[in-house]
Amino acid sequence: NAGVTQTPKFQVLKTGQSMTLQCAQDMNHEYMSWYRQDPGMGLRLIHYSVGAGITDQGEVPNGYNVSRSTTEDFPLRLLSAAPSQTSVYFCASSFGTNEKLFFGSGTQLSVL
Amino acid sequence: QKEVEQDPGPLSVPEGAIVSLNCTYSNSAFQYFMWYRQYSRKGPELLMYTYSSGNKEDGRFTAQVDKSSKYISLFIRDSQPSDSATYLCAMRGGNKLVFGAGTILRVKS
Repeated sequence: NAGVTQTPKFQVLKTGQSMTLQCAQDMNHEYMSWYRQDPGMGLRLIHYSVGAGITDQGEVPNGYNVSRSTTEDFPLRLLSAAPSQTSVYFCASSFGTNEKLFFGSGTQLSVL
Repeated sequence: QKEVEQDPGPLSVPEGAIVSLNCTYSNSAFQYFMWYRQYSRKGPELLMYTYSSGNKEDGRFTAQVDKSSKYISLFIRDSQPSDSATYLCAMRGGNKLVFGAGTILRVKS
């Protein structure tokens, strides 16, 4: 049972480049979400999904897109990377909106 | 002002010490209170989950909530080097979940 799997673990981008952070879970969770973690800021919600085909914005959605075509996968797309998006990104999932969250191991992203 | 305040530390203690980690909050709507533990280069994992005021104990860990003071605590008894991690408090009110910035704990052997 792999839980929540994120790829890649590390990524360096140049300003203006685009990329997709991958997230997959094998627990049949309906709820999936993306957070970014910055020093002194805590975890901040970027986007979330309550089921396949349903997504919504969190606290800091600008510059990011998501889609949820299957229950298992919830990719996060950076459209045009900016240095302000340098952060550690975590994907998390749970059975429901208010249930226990399971986190992936994170993607450390640097935008130069 | 942040909704949830947490001292970033680092907090350094000798092995076997009792550790107290704390968070304060400003939103009276928060009803569920959680503590997550995060090891270096790993994702957070849920450690304790409490509802309303009072204490909850799980092994060496005790979570305490004082809603009248808007103050929550996590106590770790007989701390071990393996407890060295960042501890995040989190609070939920309705569909809103807010995390503290985390306290770095170092337990020295």
